[in-house]
Amino acid sequence: DTAVSQTPKYLVTQMGNDKSIKCEQNLGHDTMYWYKQDSKKFLKIMFSYNNKELIINETVPNRFSPKSPDKAHLNLHINSLELGDSAVYFCASREGGQQFFGPGTRLTVL
Amino acid sequence: TQLLEQSPQFLSIQEGENLTVYCNSSSVFSSLQWYRQEPGEGPVLLVTVVTGGEVKKLKRLTFQFGDARKDSSLHITAAQPGDTGLYLCAGASRGGADGLTFGKGTHLIIQP
Repeated sequence: DTAVSQTPKYLVTQMGNDKSIKCEQNLGHDTMYWYKQDSKKFLKIMFSYNNKELIINETVPNRFSPKSPDKAHLNLHINSLELGDSAVYFCASREGGQQFFGPGTRLTVL
Repeated sequence: TQLLEQSPQFLSIQEGENLTVYCNSSSVFSSLQWYRQEPGEGPVLLVTVVTGGEVKKLKRLTFQFGDARKDSSLHITAAQPGDTGLYLCAGASRGGADGLTFGKGTHLIIQP
């Protein structure tokens, strides 16, 4: 009965690689998000998708690209990974004013 | 760019004491939310305040939204070790459609 799920939970990779993080929500929500939480626990919005259309795109490098195959999924693709990309990435979905967060994916770039 | 200043960043107190966490901004938000995050998990919503001056209570936790909807506070009465965690305030604009603006969090430790 998981509401928002992410895979993988942990991701360790080398600099320069391309990787993807998957997110699925079974809540029927129209809007999904990706957030990045740095080592100091600061959470910052990266992307927002509503009905498969990108609503906002904060100052995120274009190496990051969200892709939504359907309303229940919002995957995050990252090209040419850099050391500074190491962080915990959270997917979330929204109903009304409440956001529901996934468990996070800890990405470590070596 | 909207910013939320959250204080204190770290707080360690003894069980049974009271505490207050503050969240301040120069911007007006349509609502302000408080989340709690446990290690290895995503943030979980505690409360949403929408109306200026609104006060909400959740057991020993009292949340208040400033009259101008620019600031909020979280007050915990008689803190328990189970209250230990990371508390995050987050502001929503346009009902949250653009995502949430988070404060930098308060790491709270309640010592037995």
